[in-house]
Amino acid sequence: DSGVTQTPKHLITATGQRVTLRCSPRSGDLSVYWYQQSLDQGLQFLIQYYNGEERAKGNILERFSAQQFPDLHSELNLSSLELGDSALYFCASSVEQAGEQFFGPGTRLTVL
Amino acid sequence: AQKITQTQPGMFVQEKEAVTLDCTYDTSDQSYGLFWYKQPSSGEMIFLIYQGSYDEQNATEGRYSLNFQKARKSANLVISASQLGDSAMYFCAMRGRNFNKFYFGSGTKLNVKP
Repeated sequence: DSGVTQTPKHLITATGQRVTLRCSPRSGDLSVYWYQQSLDQGLQFLIQYYNGEERAKGNILERFSAQQFPDLHSELNLSSLELGDSALYFCASSVEQAGEQFFGPGTRLTVL
Repeated sequence: AQKITQTQPGMFVQEKEAVTLDCTYDTSDQSYGLFWYKQPSSGEMIFLIYQGSYDEQNATEGRYSLNFQKARKSANLVISASQLGDSAMYFCAMRGRNFNKFYFGSGTKLNVKP
């Protein structure tokens, strides 16, 4: 158990819908990262927050957004969902902006 | 541009044997970090080992060691005395000078045979 929690574990929804994925970092970690893992794209970095502020953006679509709250938990919002958004979404946290990241168990999103 | 390459999509190893998983990287940064993660079939990502670009000694963590060859830009993972529980996907990753971004390779699927 890495100490990073993600909810829900599984999510099944329809095209065009909007969903919110939640992540709680390890106690004391200020950085939160979001990743998308799909069969054809591998593990893709989406976005990073550090102590409530956005610090880096990767391959995140405009339909996706994220935020980190004062209690350091983070949410990833996915809207206008498409079939290709079906993937495993990971949250990871680290103490600083660098250093090893500890991953949550992931949320498996299925868009039908 | 930062890039991580894992050229072995799949590998087999006999239980109790050692195995090397290859990773090469491309970066123009002088300071960077290299990581290996394990992803079992259950899906979670497990941190294994870290090597900093300025570290003179190769990193070791139990049965895991990182064979870091800076001039060749390679960071191979060596697993000694393989166990059945080592069967998983293994990802090499790099953090560049822009500390905020991590780059992952495509992974190597390791199968340990009894």
